[in-house]
Amino acid sequence: KQEVTQIPAALSVPEGENLVLNCSFTDSAIYNLQWFRQDPGKGLTSLLLIQSSQREQTSGRLNASLDKSSGRSTLYIAASQPGDSATYLCAVTGFGNEKLTFGTGTRLTIIP
Amino acid sequence: GAGVSQSPSNKVTEKGKDVELRCDPISGHTALYWYRQSLGQGLEFLIYFQGNSAPDKSGLPSDRFSAERTGGSVSTLTIQRTQQEDSAVYLCASSLGGAQNTEAFFGQGTRLTVV
Repeated sequence: KQEVTQIPAALSVPEGENLVLNCSFTDSAIYNLQWFRQDPGKGLTSLLLIQSSQREQTSGRLNASLDKSSGRSTLYIAASQPGDSATYLCAVTGFGNEKLTFGTGTRLTIIP
Repeated sequence: GAGVSQSPSNKVTEKGKDVELRCDPISGHTALYWYRQSLGQGLEFLIYFQGNSAPDKSGLPSDRFSAERTGGSVSTLTIQRTQQEDSAVYLCASSLGGAQNTEAFFGQGTRLTVV
């Protein structure tokens, strides 16, 4: 059974710093990995999708990497801003089972 | 529509009543998912529809929960004889479908409160 872990559960950093969020998964047989953000009381917003054949994806100040063999992904946020404060979730889609398996998220707070 | 639409956004119901939650996926998306998020908890998979295939119902927590998808588009999640532990945010997502196109887009959710 696929298990997805995100550490730390919460992170606070001063505005302007670069930061890295971690995601690990136990079964490397995945089609892809997706990063989302969730603001309080809201749904999930898709940030980046990395296919299993890819190593990284970039969107603006966000860069996500994938090391499938070691079961790890990182989300790098450059020059953090208070608007980046949210919970960040990663999810993997496994072979033969197209449902997304989610981690429990990292709650990020950017301190102005 | 521009995104996944869910209704109602909030629902308060009495214990024992039935409720229906609706999801309108992005036009052209063949895959549709329902998830549940309880307070302070992660996302719990409920059910997955893909085209005309039989749905994956493996996440439904009890036989009080059911879902259907009519005409390959709109989906309804029904909870019968609601219990207080059913209180949660119910999230729907859709994607183009197929293994290589599973970028999922979520709606804003329905917050269900059972009193």
